[in-house]
Amino acid sequence: EDQVTQSPEALRLQEGESSSLNCSYTVSGLRGLFWYRQDPGKGPEFLFTLYSAGEEKEKERLKATLTKKESFLHITAPKPEDSATYLCAVRRFTGNQFYFGTGTSLTVIP
Amino acid sequence: EAGVVQSPRYKIIEKKQPVAFWCNPISGHNTLYWYRQNLGQGPELLIRYENEEAVDDSQLPKDRFSAERLKGVDSTLKIQPAELGDSAVYLCASSRTGVSTDTQYFGPGTRLTVL
Repeated sequence: EDQVTQSPEALRLQEGESSSLNCSYTVSGLRGLFWYRQDPGKGPEFLFTLYSAGEEKEKERLKATLTKKESFLHITAPKPEDSATYLCAVRRFTGNQFYFGTGTSLTVIP
Repeated sequence: EAGVVQSPRYKIIEKKQPVAFWCNPISGHNTLYWYRQNLGQGPELLIRYENEEAVDDSQLPKDRFSAERLKGVDSTLKIQPAELGDSAVYLCASSRTGVSTDTQYFGPGTRLTVL
């Protein structure tokens, strides 16, 4: 059964304190892994797509990496505006479904 | 480029009442998704359209939920009658399937409260 697990469920960081969010997955035939940011009361906002193990993508203070079993979202020197819930989703080659994790709620304290 | 548009943004109804949500996808996106998101959870797929065809509705509670996508553009999701457990955020997303970057883009969602 396809499954996506995110950890930790919640993370509190001091401003400038770097950390990583984890997304582990079990899916037969990964077509892509997606990271989204979701602010309260808003829809998920696309951040990255990763397609193959070893791939990395960066955007400002965020860097996403992918292995055959998991993905990490590294946050370097976070700022309070990075506070949000970060969602991970996977997509298989067969079918066109996206399977979402439950997200990591990140709070960055000034 | 305009994003995915949803309306209404908020809806409060009493149980057993009907409710409908509307979605306009990004221009040129042939695939449209309806998701339900409960508090503290990730989005769960309700139905997926490829153009006008509903190709995956296995998670749609068909006794009370219905959806349509006329002309392969706008879509409407309906609940009739609503139950207390239907309170959630209903998200619409769209993507352009068939290209390498087939990313889903989400609308702002409709927050439904059933009293």
